[in-house]
Amino acid sequence: EAQVTQNPRYLITVTGKKLTVTCSQNMNHEYMSWYRQDPGLGLRQIYYSMNVEVTDKGDVPEGYKVSRKEKRNFPLILESPSPNQTSLYFCASSFQGASPLHFGNGTRLTVT
Amino acid sequence: QKEVEQNSGPLSVPEGAIASLNCTYSDRVSQSFFWYRQYSGKSPELIMSIYSNGDKEDGRFTAQLNKASQYVSLLIRDSQPSDSATYLCAVIRINYDMRFGAGTRLTVKP
Repeated sequence: EAQVTQNPRYLITVTGKKLTVTCSQNMNHEYMSWYRQDPGLGLRQIYYSMNVEVTDKGDVPEGYKVSRKEKRNFPLILESPSPNQTSLYFCASSFQGASPLHFGNGTRLTVT
Repeated sequence: QKEVEQNSGPLSVPEGAIASLNCTYSDRVSQSFFWYRQYSGKSPELIMSIYSNGDKEDGRFTAQLNKASQYVSLLIRDSQPSDSATYLCAVIRINYDMRFGAGTRLTVKP
């Protein structure tokens, strides 16, 4: 089944404790992206990647890191999480940058 | 001005009615436009894409695009309670990243 898989689905952590949210797609998509969704603010892009080893900042990249070492994986790293990073996170992929996005199931992160 | 703006909502329509959702965008060179549906706590799912001026119909859904007015809309005919969700307008900019509106919450009352 074609899908974007995010893990974990739920994560509660404390301020400053490094964490990684994994994202993997099995559709051989070139484009991958991370979004956060907050009430009233909609989906805001954190980082995106047009292809392997090519990443770029979105609208809200501060406090996040990404890497794209393989085509299928695009992990999101929070080196030192803070409470304002409490949010619902979505990974998404598409065949290429101008194509519709396929979303993962989301990761609800709480930072206390 | 926000890059992608939608009716703030919420929008409530009776079952069987037509729901009309609107979206405007600021980047005149945008070429690709999408409507996503998102149920509470779930991920967005694509329901319509439109690339050229005019109407595109798919079942009960019709997307309308007017590039001159920088306007895209979604009509849902014969609305059903299962259509109750938040609808997200998305636009792909010239650099290929997708921008979303804040969404319009639709409630279809039986």
